[in-house]
Amino acid sequence: GAVVSQHPSWVICKSGTSVKIECRSLDFQATTMFWYRQFPKQSLMLMATSNEGSKATYEQGVEKDKFLINHASLTLSTLTVTSAHPEDSSFYICSAAKLWGGHGFSGNTIYFGEGSWLTVV
Amino acid sequence: SQQGEEDPQALSIQEGENATMNCSYKTSINNLQWYRQNSGRGLVHLILIRSNEREKHSGRLRVTLDTSKKSSSLLITASRAADTASYFCATEGANSGGSNYKLTFGKGTLLTVNP
Repeated sequence: GAVVSQHPSWVICKSGTSVKIECRSLDFQATTMFWYRQFPKQSLMLMATSNEGSKATYEQGVEKDKFLINHASLTLSTLTVTSAHPEDSSFYICSAAKLWGGHGFSGNTIYFGEGSWLTVV
Repeated sequence: SQQGEEDPQALSIQEGENATMNCSYKTSINNLQWYRQNSGRGLVHLILIRSNEREKHSGRLRVTLDTSKKSSSLLITASRAADTASYFCATEGANSGGSNYKLTFGKGTLLTVNP
């Protein structure tokens, strides 16, 4: 199957600093990537949709100035948590859409990275 | 918004037994997908069923889809301790075409398979 790499796997940062998380599709091109946040024992909450070459689309309630997303190439999207606070501590997961399709029906299979644990102290 | 609702929220069974998890959703969909997540890890795609399909098999997995009831079920047969994980359903909405293939996840079912 396709592979999505996420880096770093875990990071600890001081309150007020910024931290960048990378998401790479290793063996396919992904025009669309997604960033999720997951609190312990909860479901994934979509934060934003990252589109290559254009601005990200943020979900309601997600601060675009705090969670900067850059999709600079067809294989790389980055999420930067700016001015991090302890409440930003969470598990952040990216995914990339690998398209399939034919006549009549199309869709995508989403491949997830392994996630990044962010702890803000 | 999260529209998928899985039940049960938690399921504990013995190795060798079958595990059934259900998922309900609210809007029209293109397809429904099931994912597995080990604790603290990323998600692994298990199976995708299109809106015009009713049943699909993959190894020990069997997925059904009833679009009239807006529900799906995931059956894992002959469970193993290694199947212990959280299982999520996710729907791709019928209006999410174009370049935005957005998935909406349910809350998940925590499956524990006891050896």
